[in-house]
Amino acid sequence: EAGVAQSPRYKIIEKRQSVAFWCNPISGHATLYWYQQILGQGPKLLIQFQNNGVVDDSQLPKDRFSAERLKGVDSTLKIQPAKLEDSAVYLCASSLSPTGELFFGEGSRLTVL
Amino acid sequence: RKEVEQDPGPFNVPEGATVAFNCTYSNSASQSFFWYRQDCRKEPKLLMSVYSSGNEDGRFTAQLNRASQYISLLIRDSKLSDSATYLCVVPRYNDMRFGAGTRLTVKP
Repeated sequence: EAGVAQSPRYKIIEKRQSVAFWCNPISGHATLYWYQQILGQGPKLLIQFQNNGVVDDSQLPKDRFSAERLKGVDSTLKIQPAKLEDSAVYLCASSLSPTGELFFGEGSRLTVL
Repeated sequence: RKEVEQDPGPFNVPEGATVAFNCTYSNSASQSFFWYRQDCRKEPKLLMSVYSSGNEDGRFTAQLNRASQYISLLIRDSKLSDSATYLCVVPRYNDMRFGAGTRLTVKP
């Protein structure tokens, strides 16, 4: 069974530029999460989707971050404009149910210079 | 009080040692809990689920104390391959919240 796919694996941009990350969850998983993990810290939830609806985006910096899951499958996370403090690994995870086991992708490592 | 709080570590132990980590949580309504393992520069992966008082899987034992709102992870006979960061995960309503993680290094 294919796991959670993410791209790109690595991205280096300058501050104020924009970047987009893509995630394809495990087939059949209705719940999709985007987490931000800064070096030395645990993953921080940015946004959670149930099918194509947003369940929780309370910790998403909406002035610069946006995310969508239009058809209830793939998702994209965008940052515009990026700040230095956005340097982190962006992890996408999916699960069958909102409190079930999370399956993570390998992550997208962002460096903002 | 943070939603999920873990022993900060790091824990440096010799091979064969027994080591335990604690995790406290604030949401008394949480029913299930998870320990994830994260290797350096890798994604987190599920280690154990805890649904009642505890769970045991080989050298790993997870225990839950609902009255005091904490869960613990015990690793017996530590192996070099156990070196990783251990993340405590607590469901909150309809999402999952992670602790900051406890780093374990097992030395020869």
